[in-house]
Amino acid sequence: DIQMTQSPSSMSVSLGDTVTITCRASQDVGIYVNWFQQKPGKSPRRMIYRATNLADGVPSRFSGSRSGSDYSLTISSLESEDVADYHCLQYDEYPYTFGAGTKLELK
Amino acid sequence: QVQLQQSGTELVKPASSVKISCKASGYTFTSNYMHWIRQQPGNGLEWIGWIYPGNGNTKYNQKFDGKATLTADKSSSTAYMQLSSLTSEDSAVYFCARGVYFDYWGQGVMVTVSS
Repeated sequence: DIQMTQSPSSMSVSLGDTVTITCRASQDVGIYVNWFQQKPGKSPRRMIYRATNLADGVPSRFSGSRSGSDYSLTISSLESEDVADYHCLQYDEYPYTFGAGTKLELK
Repeated sequence: QVQLQQSGTELVKPASSVKISCKASGYTFTSNYMHWIRQQPGNGLEWIGWIYPGNGNTKYNQKFDGKATLTADKSSSTAYMQLSSLTSEDSAVYFCARGVYFDYWGQGVMVTVSS
């Protein structure tokens, strides 16, 4: 199975920060990586699809990028509503696999 | 608008089975994959498999072979997942999610396995 090694597992952040979360794929997964935001007790919300595409309705402060096997989600100028868990997903090869998640917490 | 409405919380006994549902609306049910995803307490997400309601084709994560069975009813635009031989390890929230790109998700169903 493809491992998506997500880092950091948690991050203490301040409002206005620029935050970057990374997933490293153990094999080539091309552009088939999504990023999801999940708030407590809620279902995941798709933020980025195909590595770099902003999903409908997602604020432009969110962006996705790829460098080789490293995929990143960046939040520019963090707002309070962005404090949540974030998950990456590869859907290039079966079984599809998620990263272990990153928890953002306010300082 | 696209909606995926999942069935309610389940409390089930070990060794039993449970069938949970995901009713789709606002789009063509038969033309989109439906994925199922598990989230154990305090853990990350695991992909269980997908079903294509148009022809009933399925694809499973090998980890869930024999555990999960995916079906779909075109007449009611509802996808189902049956979980069998339940143990405490199966206690989790189960989500359905639409399409190739996982664009819409159901609200989740909490399944608790306990005697």
